[in-house]
Amino acid sequence: EAQVTQNPRYLITVTGKKLTVTCSQNMNHEYMSWYRQDPGLGLRQIYYSMNVEVTDKGDVPEGYKVSRKEKRNFPLILESPSPNQTSLYFCASSFSNYNTGELFFGEGSRLTVL
Amino acid sequence: TQLLEQSPQFLSIQEGENLTVYCNSSSVFSSLQWYRQEPGEGPVLLVTVVTGGEVKKLKRLTFQFGDARKDSSLHITAAQPGDTGLYLCAGESDSWGKLQFGAGTQVVVTP
Repeated sequence: EAQVTQNPRYLITVTGKKLTVTCSQNMNHEYMSWYRQDPGLGLRQIYYSMNVEVTDKGDVPEGYKVSRKEKRNFPLILESPSPNQTSLYFCASSFSNYNTGELFFGEGSRLTVL
Repeated sequence: TQLLEQSPQFLSIQEGENLTVYCNSSSVFSSLQWYRQEPGEGPVLLVTVVTGGEVKKLKRLTFQFGDARKDSSLHITAAQPGDTGLYLCAGESDSWGKLQFGAGTQVVVTP
């Protein structure tokens, strides 16, 4: 089954404790992206990647890191989480190579930072 | 900065009624997408429009892209409870890869 898989789905952590949210897609997609979703603000792009070893900042990259060492994986790293990073996070991927194309989303990871 | 403004933020209607959701911007987009998101799930693509003035139909849903490619609308005819969800528009400007979303319109259709 074609899918984007995120882990963990739910996480409660404390300020400053490094964490990684993994994202994996099995559709051989070139493009991958991370979004955070907050009430009243919609989905805001954190980072995106057009291919292996190619990443770029979205609209809200501060406090986050990403890497794209393999085509299928695009982990989101919070080196020192803070309460304002409490949010619902979505990973998405796309096949298109001339525009973003149809995004396939994971089920989301709900993160709470105390 | 929210480049895409969606209205209304919330819409509650009875089954069988029609509704329209709007997505407006001061920016020009090369393409615009509409997604629907249900609780506990990620958004799912409904349609992509790329040409100014384009109209696309998906069963009871009609999507229109403005002539100037700055705005779009989604019209649902004879809404059903299964249409309940968060409707999101997303626009791509000249910067490929940077797809920006509106805040969404929560639609609730009651039987």
